[in-house]
Amino acid sequence: GENVEQHPSTLSVQEGDSAVIKCTYSDSASNYFPWYKQELGKRPQLIIDIRSNVGEKKDQRIAVTLNKTAKHFSLHITETQPEDSAVYFCAASIGGGFKTIFGAGTRLFVKA
Amino acid sequence: SQTIHQWPATLVQPVGSPLSLECTVEGTSNPNLYWYRQAAGRGLQLLFYSVGIGQISSEVPQNLSASRPQDRQFILSSKKLLLSDSGFYLCAWTGRGAGGGYTFGSGTRLTVV
Repeated sequence: GENVEQHPSTLSVQEGDSAVIKCTYSDSASNYFPWYKQELGKRPQLIIDIRSNVGEKKDQRIAVTLNKTAKHFSLHITETQPEDSAVYFCAASIGGGFKTIFGAGTRLFVKA
Repeated sequence: SQTIHQWPATLVQPVGSPLSLECTVEGTSNPNLYWYRQAAGRGLQLLFYSVGIGQISSEVPQNLSASRPQDRQFILSSKKLLLSDSGFYLCAWTGRGAGGGYTFGSGTRLTVV
């Protein structure tokens, strides 16, 4: 089955700097790659996603890139703010969102 | 608009006791439903998913079971809880067809003592 590796497990940046989180997936049939943000004690919330027919997608300060050949995808957050501090999960799905497999998460700290 | 309800929010149960967590979705029909577990400081582990009433697929053999008695109702159960069942349980749904990201319920924090 699908396996998603995520790194780093912890990331600390200064406010205003950029943060990059990287993931790899194992199943070349995966076609949908969502990213979730989870604040302490709360439910994960979808922040951005990308489908396999797209190489890059941007939404304000966040962007995702996908390299299907290498089976890598990444989340980029620019101009980080303290409220970006949270755990971020990458995920992959074969069925366009069906039966999604998650990475282990990255705990992002943004220092003011 | 669609909403997902999950209860209870917090639960403390003794080892060997039964468990029943409930999740319901409103504002949609025929959703795909999921149960995930998140151990403290860890990622999300897919436990069960369902594509329709009475249709349950298990991803990890364990002490838990799931049922879908109605289209928009998903129940997670156990006959006898173990200490290792402690965690944050999340229900989620997606629509059919084009797919997309999950909408998660607010979660149940289960502590087995």
